[in-house]
Amino acid sequence: GEDVEQSLFLSVREGDSSVINCTYTDSSSTYLYWYKQEPGAGLQLLTYIFSNMDMKQDQRLTVLLNKKDKHLSLRIADTQTGDSAIYFCAESSNRGSSNTGKLIFGQGTTLQVKP
Amino acid sequence: SAVISQKPSRDICQRGTSLTIQCQVDSQVTMMFWYRQQPGQSLTLIATANQGSEATYESGFVIDKFPISRPNLTFSTLTVSNMSPEDSSIYLCSVEDPGSGYTFGSGTRLTVV
Repeated sequence: GEDVEQSLFLSVREGDSSVINCTYTDSSSTYLYWYKQEPGAGLQLLTYIFSNMDMKQDQRLTVLLNKKDKHLSLRIADTQTGDSAIYFCAESSNRGSSNTGKLIFGQGTTLQVKP
Repeated sequence: SAVISQKPSRDICQRGTSLTIQCQVDSQVTMMFWYRQQPGQSLTLIATANQGSEATYESGFVIDKFPISRPNLTFSTLTVSNMSPEDSSIYLCSVEDPGSGYTFGSGTRLTVV
């Protein structure tokens, strides 16, 4: 079946790098996503990676994908207090040849950034 | 990317009543998705709404409890019927944004008392 798992909590100091890890089970997933949820807010898409890529960098964010191990990570460089939030990884459940389908979410990792 | 307007942003409702949540998208989309996020939990897909056909519900969700309308390609509603405290959650709509993933509405925080 489809399953996505994350560690529940990560605490870092301001200025350090944060690495949030995620494992998934559906090897047919085409895209994998990282979303950020701040308290009382909806979900903000941070970045996503196509399954034939190993790495994607976008400013302070670096996504690494190990398809063999079904492991995804999000690295936030120079973490700021404003990065404190819940981070969800998600995989897309394929339907036929289209990527249109539901997202399977992990439980979310709460990132706490200490000044 | 698509912009979704979702309302209400929050509501407190009496048990046994119903609440209808609306999502308006600023562009035409084929599918809209409705998710539930129970307190402290992750997101679970309730159903997928296509224009002109009945919504497709995920296991554990039924049309009588969560009726969905999709009258056109930019709008959808989700109704939470005959509410109980267990329905207290955040409800979110989502659309696929070609080339940029899935965009979510800001969510409706529902408290049932």
